[in-house]
Amino acid sequence: ETGVTQSPTHLIKTRGQQVTLRCSSQSGHNTVSWYQQALGQGPQFIFQYYREEENGRGNFPPRFSGLQFPNYSSELNVNALELDDSALYLCASSLGQLNEQFFGPGTRLTVL
Amino acid sequence: SQQGEEDPQALSIQEGENATMNCSYKTSINNLQWYRQNSGRGLVHLILIRSNEREKHSGRLRVTLDTSKKSSSLLITASRAADTASYFCATESDTGGFKTIFGAGTRLFVKA
Repeated sequence: ETGVTQSPTHLIKTRGQQVTLRCSSQSGHNTVSWYQQALGQGPQFIFQYYREEENGRGNFPPRFSGLQFPNYSSELNVNALELDDSALYLCASSLGQLNEQFFGPGTRLTVL
Repeated sequence: SQQGEEDPQALSIQEGENATMNCSYKTSINNLQWYRQNSGRGLVHLILIRSNEREKHSGRLRVTLDTSKKSSSLLITASRAADTASYFCATESDTGGFKTIFGAGTRLFVKA
């Protein structure tokens, strides 16, 4: 059984650019959630995908969008990057929406 | 801020002592989960407690939930230096779509 993986590990972008982050779910999991964690803060919920449909969203603007694929892997896309988007982006997978979440190691995004 | 509140913000204890962390939240929930995070890496799931449960144990961990007070606590008994980490609580609800709210975390330092 493989755990949750994320790519890339680190990324540097400039303001205004677009970025795509990727997440592979743990084997057998059909639900993926994405989080943004600023330094010294708790994670903030971006959105959750269940069986390829978005079924919950936090207070993030529409320039944060996502996809879940038939194999339950997922992407997080962020358009028009701002300096405040610099953070650790975490994804977590679970079997269903209200069960234990297992996190990946995260992608560290720096926006210059 | 969307986040729940945890206290204390930081806790320093000697190896072998017990550590208690508290979490309060504001809205009705389905579940509450506790996680550990080492040095800004991915989160490790510790315990999930459902809204109809009052107490759960896992090894040296004990979690309580009081939905009337909207609070939870995590007790780590016989702490070890390896328990040094940040600990987060996260509430989950599916009212109007899935949402999860993390606290700001308690930073635990266990001295050998």
